[in-house]
Amino acid sequence: DIQMTQSPSSVSASVGDRVTITCRASQGISSWLAWYQQKPGKAPKLLIYAASTLHTGVPSRFSGSGSGTDFTLTINNLQPEDFATYYCQQANSFPRTFGPGTKVDIK
Amino acid sequence: QVQLVQSGAEVKKPGASVKVSCKTSGYTFSSYGISWVRQAPGQGLEWMGWISAYNGNTNYAQKIQGRVTMTTDTSTSTAYMDLRSLRSDDTAVYYCAREPFSDYWGQGTLVTVSS
Repeated sequence: DIQMTQSPSSVSASVGDRVTITCRASQGISSWLAWYQQKPGKAPKLLIYAASTLHTGVPSRFSGSGSGTDFTLTINNLQPEDFATYYCQQANSFPRTFGPGTKVDIK
Repeated sequence: QVQLVQSGAEVKKPGASVKVSCKTSGYTFSSYGISWVRQAPGQGLEWMGWISAYNGNTNYAQKIQGRVTMTTDTSTSTAYMDLRSLRSDDTAVYYCAREPFSDYWGQGTLVTVSS
C-alpha cells in the first residue's frame, strides 16, 4: 500500500496569511493526488485533483503543485472560511490512502 | 446538480450488520464509480472501498475485506455499503463519494456500534 504523510499536522495562521501544506507519498504516484477540505461535522469537499487542477467553484487562492512523491497545497490570503482540516489522497492505485490531515486554525 | 443523499443514522449491537444507502441524482450513474470512506470520532478519513457503477467491479480495503460488500442498483441510481460482524471500532460516520477524485460527497451516515 502507498503511505501518505502530511506536514505540518497543524498550523496556526491569521487572516491574510499564506499557508503551505506538504503531502508526501511513499512511492511515486505521478499526478494522481487530490486535496480535500473538511470542516467539523461536515463532509469533505474536493479542492484540487490531478495535483494541480482546481475543482469547480473553488476559489483561486487555493493552488496545488507537485508530482511523483512530493506535493504542496498553498492557500494564499487566508480567509475566515478556510480554517479547517485538509487531507491529501492518492488516486494512483488501490487502496486509495489518505494523509493524516493538517488542521489550520486561527492564531 | 449532482447530489448524493445517504440513509439515516443507525445504532447496532456488536456482531450485527448495517446497510447504508447512497441515492444519487444529477448525473449518469453508470458513468462513474462510488467510493466509501469512513471517519471514526475525532479521527481522519479512512478509505473503505470502491465500486464501478458501470460493471459492478469492486476493490475493498484489506482491513475490512470479508466483512464488507458494496453494490449498486442502476435502476434507482443508488449505491449500497453492507458491513457485517460489526465491532465497536466500526463506530464512525460513513460517506459515499462519486469517483473519480471523490468530487461530490454524501452528507454522511453515523453508525454507532454499542451493546
